[in-house]
Amino acid sequence: AQTVTQSQPEMSVQEAETVTLSCTYDTSESDYYLFWYKQPPSRQMILVIRQEAYKQQNATENRFSVNFQKAAKSFSLKISDSQLGDAAMYFCAYSPYNNNDMRFGAGTRLTVKP
Amino acid sequence: DAGVTQSPTHLIKTRGQQVTLRCSPKSGHDTVSWYQQALGQGPQFIFQYYEEEERQRGNFPDRFSGHQFPNYSSELNVNALLLGDSALYLCASTAQPLSNTEAFFGQGTRLTVV
Repeated sequence: AQTVTQSQPEMSVQEAETVTLSCTYDTSESDYYLFWYKQPPSRQMILVIRQEAYKQQNATENRFSVNFQKAAKSFSLKISDSQLGDAAMYFCAYSPYNNNDMRFGAGTRLTVKP
Repeated sequence: DAGVTQSPTHLIKTRGQQVTLRCSPKSGHDTVSWYQQALGQGPQFIFQYYEEEERQRGNFPDRFSGHQFPNYSSELNVNALLLGDSALYLCASTAQPLSNTEAFFGQGTRLTVV
């Protein structure tokens, strides 16, 4: 079974600084997808960034980027120039290539200090 | 575009009762997945519906059942409610049951079993 581990229950960052959230996963598959989702107090999960395992290049979306290490099964999220609106729960998720049955980690609560 | 809508937003039920939660997918989406998110945890996959059939199921008992209608909307039914069923229930829709399309989530239904 595939599992996703987020070892940081809480993280804190100063506004305008950079923070990195960690995620590791376990799978025997070679093709899969990895995601970072943001869940603000409104509860709605919002996709932050997605990475296809077959792509060596790390995904980037504006201030958000990932460090994907396939051999190490590591998928960290870097948030640059942190903003107050970035404060939320962040979930790392894994999905096999041929379906979207997503497996989520337990989440990291990010606090942004003004 | 209304996005994914779920109803009701909050619900309180008594142990042993039955409950039905509803989800309307994003316009253009035909696949609906349901997740259970217990307090302080990441979402767990319950099942997925495509073409009005249960396509995939997570590790949940038969008390959890669902349905998809011709207009792609979906219902989640839980029978013989237990206190442990108290959670946020999230619905996600995709254009196809493949991971190469983005999943959009609703704001969830908060179920409290007393």
